[in-house]
Amino acid sequence: GEDVEQSLFLSVREGDSSVINCTYTDSSSTYLYWYKQEPGAGLQLLTYIFSNMDMKQDQRLTVLLNKKDKHLSLRIADTQTGDSAIYFCAESWTDKLIFGTGTRLQVFP
Amino acid sequence: ETGVTQSPTHLIKTRGQQVTLRCSSQSGHNTVSWYQQALGQGPQFIFQYYREEENGRGNFPPRFSGLQFPNYSSELNVNALELDDSALYLCASSPGLAEHQETQYFGPGTRLLVL
Repeated sequence: GEDVEQSLFLSVREGDSSVINCTYTDSSSTYLYWYKQEPGAGLQLLTYIFSNMDMKQDQRLTVLLNKKDKHLSLRIADTQTGDSAIYFCAESWTDKLIFGTGTRLQVFP
Repeated sequence: ETGVTQSPTHLIKTRGQQVTLRCSSQSGHNTVSWYQQALGQGPQFIFQYYREEENGRGNFPPRFSGLQFPNYSSELNVNALELDDSALYLCASSPGLAEHQETQYFGPGTRLLVL
């Protein structure tokens, strides 16, 4: 069956790097995604990685994919207070996205 | 801005009532998906429509139904509302092209409260 797991909470100091981790179960997923959700808002697509890639960098964001361990991570460099939000990883599975429960990132000064 | 809009933004209903939620996809996006996000949870897939036909369904009862129209708009209908239907309902559209066809762009959601 499909299942995506994330740690629930992460707290970092402004200017430090944040690393949010995710594990997934379906090795046939084509794409893996990171979405950001701010309070009371919908989901904002941050980045995605194709399943045959190991790493993708996009400005302050770095995605690492370890297919053997089915582990996905999102690194945010120079974390800012505006990065405070809930971050969801998601895997594509046939016609749908399977989401984790989300990691709440809190950035303090 | 994803170009995906939803209405209304908030809604309060009572148990047993029916509700219709609306979504307007990005122009050119042939696929629309609906998700339910309960408080403190990740979104759960309800169903997907492609070119006005249902293209997949999650573990939701038949009282959840949908429609997709040629003008890139769609509806989610829920009959016989239950308290557990209280959630944020998200629609997402995707291009339906060969490349990145699975990438879904979400609207801001409709928050439904069932009393």
